[in-house]
Amino acid sequence: QVHLVESGGGVVQPGRSLRLSCAASGFTFSAYPMHWVRQAPGKGLEWVAVVSSDGRTEYYADSVKGRFTISRDNSKSTLYLQVNTPRPEDTAVYYCVRDPGVRSEWLLIFDYWGQGTLVTVSS
Amino acid sequence: NLMLTQPHSVSGSPGETITISCTGSSGSIASNYVQWYQQRPGSAPTSVVRQDNQRPSGVPDRFSGSIDTSSNSASLTISGLKPEDEADYYCQSYDATTRVVFGGGTRLTVL
Repeated sequence: QVHLVESGGGVVQPGRSLRLSCAASGFTFSAYPMHWVRQAPGKGLEWVAVVSSDGRTEYYADSVKGRFTISRDNSKSTLYLQVNTPRPEDTAVYYCVRDPGVRSEWLLIFDYWGQGTLVTVSS
Repeated sequence: NLMLTQPHSVSGSPGETITISCTGSSGSIASNYVQWYQQRPGSAPTSVVRQDNQRPSGVPDRFSGSIDTSSNSASLTISGLKPEDEADYYCQSYDATTRVVFGGGTRLTVL
C-alpha cells in the first residue's frame, strides 16, 4: 500500500536552513505529482508547493515563494523541501502528499498523506 | 483570489444527518473540483470526497458531496452519524493560477 514517511524536521533558528525529505513506497513514485502541505499548531491546512511527476515543473504558495524549493529524486522515490531563511510563522507540521494525476502535470487534489514532520522555527 | 469559508463548528447526535458548507468567495465554485478531508485529532488528513462528489475507495456511503451553484457553495453531508466521525473537516479547491486553497476547517462534534 501507499506509504509516505517524512523526516528532517526539528528546531531551527530563524534564517538557518533545513531540508525535509519524504520517502515514498508502495506505488510508482515517478508517475505522480507530489505536494507539501503544512499545518501550524492548532491551525488549518495550508498548501505549500507542488512538483510535477518528472520534476521539471514546480509551483509555490506566495507565502514561501523565493524561500522554499520543492524537488524530487525519482531514482530514490524521495521528495524534498528545502527550507531557506525560515521565519517563526513557518512553524508547522509539514505533510508530504500525493496527487492522483498519474503522468499529468497535476490535478491539485490529494489522495495520500504522510504522517508529517514538525518544524519549529525559534531562536 | 479564491477563498473558501466554512462554519467553525457543527454538531449532531449519533444516527443524525449533518451538513457542512463551504462557500466560495469569488467566481463559480463549480469551475473547479472541490475535495473534502477528514482529520481526526493527532492524525494526518484523509480524503472522504474528491472531485465534488466522488468517494475514494473505503469511504462509507454515509459521506456524500454536492455543489450548489445558486449559493456558490459545496457541501459535505454525513448521514447516520457515528462517534468515530468526530473530527475536523476541510474543503479544498484551486484556481486557474494553480493556487490551491483550503477552507478554514469545521470541527464536528458527535454529542
